[in-house]
This record gives sequence, structure tokens and C-alpha cells, in this order.
Amino acid sequence: KQEVTQIPAALSVPEGENLVLNCSFTDSAIYNLQWFRQDPGKGLTSLLLIQSSQREQTSGRLNASLDKSSGRSTLYIAASQPGDSATYLCAPGTTNSNYQLIWGAGTKLIIKP
Amino acid sequence: NAGVMQNPRHLVRRRGQEARLRCSPMKGHSHVYWYRQLPEEGLKFMVYLQKENIIDESGMPKERFSAEFPKEGPSILRIQQVVRGDSAAYFCASSLTGAKMFFGSGTQLSVL
Repeated sequence: KQEVTQIPAALSVPEGENLVLNCSFTDSAIYNLQWFRQDPGKGLTSLLLIQSSQREQTSGRLNASLDKSSGRSTLYIAASQPGDSATYLCAPGTTNSNYQLIWGAGTKLIIKP
Repeated sequence: NAGVMQNPRHLVRRRGQEARLRCSPMKGHSHVYWYRQLPEEGLKFMVYLQKENIIDESGMPKERFSAEFPKEGPSILRIQQVVRGDSAAYFCASSLTGAKMFFGSGTQLSVL
């Protein structure tokens, strides 16, 4: 049974800092892994999708890495801004059904102006 | 290109009533997924549909819950005879190829 752990559970940092959010999963047999952000009242936004054969994906100030064999993914946020404040969710997709994502509990991020 | 549209945003029902949640996928997307987020818990997969077909409903409770995605119109998640434990945020997602998914803003169901 896939279990996803995200560390830290909450993080509060001043604006401008570079951040690393961590995600670990117990079953390395994944199809892909997605990072989402969840804003209150605004639902989920997919940030990055990494296929199991890839090592990283980049989008703007975001970079996600995947080490499938060790069951880890990290989300790197460069030059953080107050608008980055949200809950960030890691969700590996199982091999047979990539839509059956197993979500972590998330990291609640607060960027202080 | 509008995103995934869910309505209503908030739905209040009394125990025993029916709840209907609607989801219009992004234009051109034929894959629709429903997820439920119970209070203080992570999202859980419920059902995966393609036009007029249920592909996987392994995450959906066997009783009172049903889903459809007709040829025309939105996908509907229907909950009959709601109970307090059904109170949750229900999210719909759509995809073009079955890979990257785009989520709606969710419907918050409150059962009194």
C-alpha cells in the first residue's frame, strides 16, 4: 500500500528565500508524480508532472526532482513570494492507474512579506 | 479556454436528501475523475469516467453514490440519502490523454 509523507507539515519563511519541500513514498512502482498547490476556496492546481523515467521538471521558479528508486521527490521554489503561500501536495500515480493518485497530507507554506 | 468548472461551489443538504454535483471538463477533455477530501484528510480517488462509460469506480462507495458522464453535458456525481459523513469537498478533474489532470475548484458539501 502506497504511503506518502511530506515534510515539513508547515513552513513559514520571509519573502525571497529559496525553499525545498520534501515528499517520500513507500512504493517505488509509480507511473508518474505530480506536485499540486491547493489554495483555500480555489481548489487544486497542477504545478509539475514528472514521468517515472524523468529526473526533474522545471516551470518558472519551480523545480521538481524525482528519485524513484529511493522513493523521494523534492519541490524547489526559488525566490519565494507571498503569492506562493498555499498548501503543496505531492501525489505519486500508481503504475497501473496513474489517475489513482495517493496524496500526501501536504506542506502548508506561508511566505511573509 | 475555461478550466474545469464545478457547481455548485457550496451545497447544503439535510440528512436523507439527494446531492447532485456537476463537473464540466476542460474543452476537448474526455477523461473525468472525481475525488473526495474529507476534513483533515488527503484526497481520495472515487471514480474515473470517459464519455458515457465508467472506467474505474473502485474508490466509490457501493451504496448511495453514482456517477455519469453523458455524451452531452457535464459529469454528475450523485449522492442519494446523504448522511453527515458525506460532508466533504468533492473535486473533479479532467485530462486530455489520461495523464496530466486539471482540477476544478471543488464543491463543498455540508450535510446538516
